[in-house]
Amino acid sequence: AQKITQTQPGMFVQEKEAVTLDCTYDTSDQSYGLFWYKQPSSGEMIFLIYQGSYDEQNATEGRYSLNFQKARKSANLVISASQLGDSAMYFCAMREGGGGATNKLIFGTGTLLAVQP
Amino acid sequence: DTGVSQDPRHKITKRGQNVTFRCDPISEHNRLYWYRQTLGQGPEFLTYFQNEAQLEKSRLLSDRFSAERPKGSFSTLEIQRTEQGDSAMYLCASSLGGIRSPLHFGNGTRLTVT
Repeated sequence: AQKITQTQPGMFVQEKEAVTLDCTYDTSDQSYGLFWYKQPSSGEMIFLIYQGSYDEQNATEGRYSLNFQKARKSANLVISASQLGDSAMYFCAMREGGGGATNKLIFGTGTLLAVQP
Repeated sequence: DTGVSQDPRHKITKRGQNVTFRCDPISEHNRLYWYRQTLGQGPEFLTYFQNEAQLEKSRLLSDRFSAERPKGSFSTLEIQRTEQGDSAMYLCASSLGGIRSPLHFGNGTRLTVT
């Protein structure tokens, strides 16, 4: 069964520094996708970045990048040059893509990031 | 791009009452999802539609919960005989097909059962 684990309940980072949010996953499928979402205190879920299991390059999207280590089943989110507006809850999620798989995303428990001035 | 809209934003009800929530997905999205989120937790999958067909329901979803998506457009989620444990944020999301397609979420309906 697919599972997402985020072991950091909370993280602090100084403004303008980089921070890594950890995510490990468990799946028996060879084809799967990994997603990161941001949820500010206002509550909306904002899609940040996607990594496919067959993608050869680590995904990047502006200040967000994914440190994808397939053999270790980890997909850590790196936020560079942190800004105060990055303070939010961050969720890692996975979708399996093998035969018979559904389209749902399974989410981790999240990491609360606080950016300090 | 109007995004995913959910109505109402907040609902307070007494235990034992029925409630219904509505979700309007992004118009070109044929896939629609319902999730439930409690404080400090990640969204928990409830059910999934492809067009008008309900293709998956979570085993955690009791018989008091029912969802519909008539004509493959908007969707409703009904909770019958509400319990205090049903208090949560109910999130709707939609997406295109394909493994790479992200879910686009609405702002949710916050349910409080007193």
